[in-house]
Amino acid sequence: EDQVTQSPEALRLQEGESSSLNCSYTVSGLRGLFWYRQDPGKGPEFLFTLYSAGEEKEKERLKATLTKKESFLHITAPKPEDSATYLCAVRPNSGNTPLVFGKGTRLSVIA
Amino acid sequence: EAQVTQNPRYLITVTGKKLTVTCSQNMNHEYMSWYRQDPGLGLRQIYYSMNVEVTDKGDVPEGYKVSRKEKRNFPLILESPSPNQTSLYFCASLPATGWAEAFFGQGTRLTVV
Repeated sequence: EDQVTQSPEALRLQEGESSSLNCSYTVSGLRGLFWYRQDPGKGPEFLFTLYSAGEEKEKERLKATLTKKESFLHITAPKPEDSATYLCAVRPNSGNTPLVFGKGTRLSVIA
Repeated sequence: EAQVTQNPRYLITVTGKKLTVTCSQNMNHEYMSWYRQDPGLGLRQIYYSMNVEVTDKGDVPEGYKVSRKEKRNFPLILESPSPNQTSLYFCASLPATGWAEAFFGQGTRLTVV
């Protein structure tokens, strides 16, 4: 069964304190792994797609990396405006469900 | 502009009064899906559709219905809403082929009293 597990569930950082969020997955062939940011009460906002192990993508203070079993979202010198829930999802090559989501990591950055 | 549009954004209703939440996408995507989101439980899939006239149950389908008569629209129907269906609902779409990301609607906050 395709599965996505995110850790930690919640993370509290001081402004400028870098850290990483983890997304572990088991999937029957990976078509793509997606990272989304979600602000309270709003729809998920797309951040990155990763397709193959070793791939990296960057956007401002965020950097996403991918291995064969997990992905990391590295946050460098975070600011309070980075506070949000970060969701990871995988798209399997086959099966009935095109997207499988993790439960997310709720990030709080304190000034 | 590529987008998924949900309506209404907010809805308060009473137990048992049928309601429909609409979802429309303008990207010609084959795949559409409904999720509910509750604190601590993440996004849970209610129903999904791989194409017109093709729908299937997700993880939490009880108490919901959907239809896919046109490619762009995927309404969510609550025939007899109950308080445990109070939640934040999201519609999403993505293409059946390729590697493009899913697009999400703005969300519908439903309260059933």
